[in-house]
Amino acid sequence: SQTIHQWPATLVQPVGSPLSLECTVEGTSNPNLYWYRQAAGRGLQLLFYSVGIGQISSEVPQNLSASRPQDRQFILSSKKLLLSDSGFYLCAWSVDGAYAYEQYFGPGTRLTVT
Amino acid sequence: AQSVSQHNHHVILSEAASLELGCNYSYGGTVNLFWYVQYPGQHLQLLLKYFSGDPLVKGIKGFEAEFIKSKFSFNLRKPSVQWSDTAEYFCAVKKGSQGNLIFGKGTKLSVKP
Repeated sequence: SQTIHQWPATLVQPVGSPLSLECTVEGTSNPNLYWYRQAAGRGLQLLFYSVGIGQISSEVPQNLSASRPQDRQFILSSKKLLLSDSGFYLCAWSVDGAYAYEQYFGPGTRLTVT
Repeated sequence: AQSVSQHNHHVILSEAASLELGCNYSYGGTVNLFWYVQYPGQHLQLLLKYFSGDPLVKGIKGFEAEFIKSKFSFNLRKPSVQWSDTAEYFCAVKKGSQGNLIFGKGTKLSVKP
């Protein structure tokens, strides 16, 4: 069966520090991968998605970047965190292909920028 | 821009009350519709989905949703809620066959025992 892992679970970082959040998927190959940010009362905002290694699409211009160095690994990064980067970050995957209906979500990372 | 609207931010019900959570979307073409649920401390998980066919969709734990194309709506219902239904519920819309999911802002449901 497929599983999705995210780490760390929680993170407290000072403003201006770098960020690296990791997401890995097991039990499937060539998944579509997604990074979302969930803010209270604001729902889920899609940040990045990837349909393959090295292929990243950005939905919202911001202080963050994403990379996909391996088929089942998706990394969210920042060179210098802002206070506004605080939030709950979710990674998700879906089956490859045009008809990628369902997305499966990881446990999330709670990021607090101080 | 396409959007998904969930009308209620926080709903508080007593056990056994009936539930209806509203969801409207603004996209006019073919859509796939989803309801996701996030129980306290757990992953976001799929509750039910609509792709085509019968507009009344049944999901897990006694939930159902009805797709009304003319109203651009996909409301979630449950005839009798339980305390364990306390969670946050998200409506999501996928445009066409290759679009990404667009989520609503979520509705927090609190069920009093």
